[in-house]
Amino acid sequence: AQSVTQLDSHVSVSEGTPVLLRCNYSSSYSPSLFWYVQHPNKGLQLLLKYTSAATLVKGINGFEAEFKKSETSFHLTKPSAHMSDAAEYFCVVSDRAGGSYIPTFGRGTSLIVHP
Amino acid sequence: KAGVTQTPRYLIKTRGQQVTLSCSPISGHRSVSWYQQTPGQGLQFLFEYFSETQRNKGNFPGRFSGRQFSNSRSEMNVSTLELGDSALYLCASSFGQNTGELFFGEGSRLTVL
Repeated sequence: AQSVTQLDSHVSVSEGTPVLLRCNYSSSYSPSLFWYVQHPNKGLQLLLKYTSAATLVKGINGFEAEFKKSETSFHLTKPSAHMSDAAEYFCVVSDRAGGSYIPTFGRGTSLIVHP
Repeated sequence: KAGVTQTPRYLIKTRGQQVTLSCSPISGHRSVSWYQQTPGQGLQFLFEYFSETQRNKGNFPGRFSGRQFSNSRSEMNVSTLELGDSALYLCASSFGQNTGELFFGEGSRLTVL
């Protein structure tokens, strides 16, 4: 069975300061891990993905995530927040349990960016 | 390249009615999956179709059903609507079988009165 826990429901930062959104996962198999972003009244957009290649993954809009197997974590970071980063962020785990991939979504972290 | 298109974007129904939602995937994508998003339960997987066959199904009652056509377009149907079915229904497509790398539509927001 797989699960994902986003450790913060809300994160508030000032524009220009670093962003850290935390995600821990549980998986019985070698998982694929993803971060998606959802702006209000929009669908989800893929930010980045980890699929057992490099442990440091670079995504769009300056976001990065590091896969740490020993800590079962996949935290999302950005060096400098921009107002346009304000959105809901979802960590997703997907493993090949039973021969099929079924994604499990975290509950989401709302990123608030103050001017 | 056009993205994933969902129709209708908004709809209001009353309890007991049924509803059909439509999803047109990105051209060339053969996998379509559906998700329900609510404030209380978050994002939950409904089902996935690949080449007109349902490959996976989430933990939802039989009132929730879907299908996929030969052109990869998909529909989902909810019968005998309940108040708790009010949600944003998201469709996502991918080129191959659902591996988690998904391209989402903007969703269909269903309100059940």
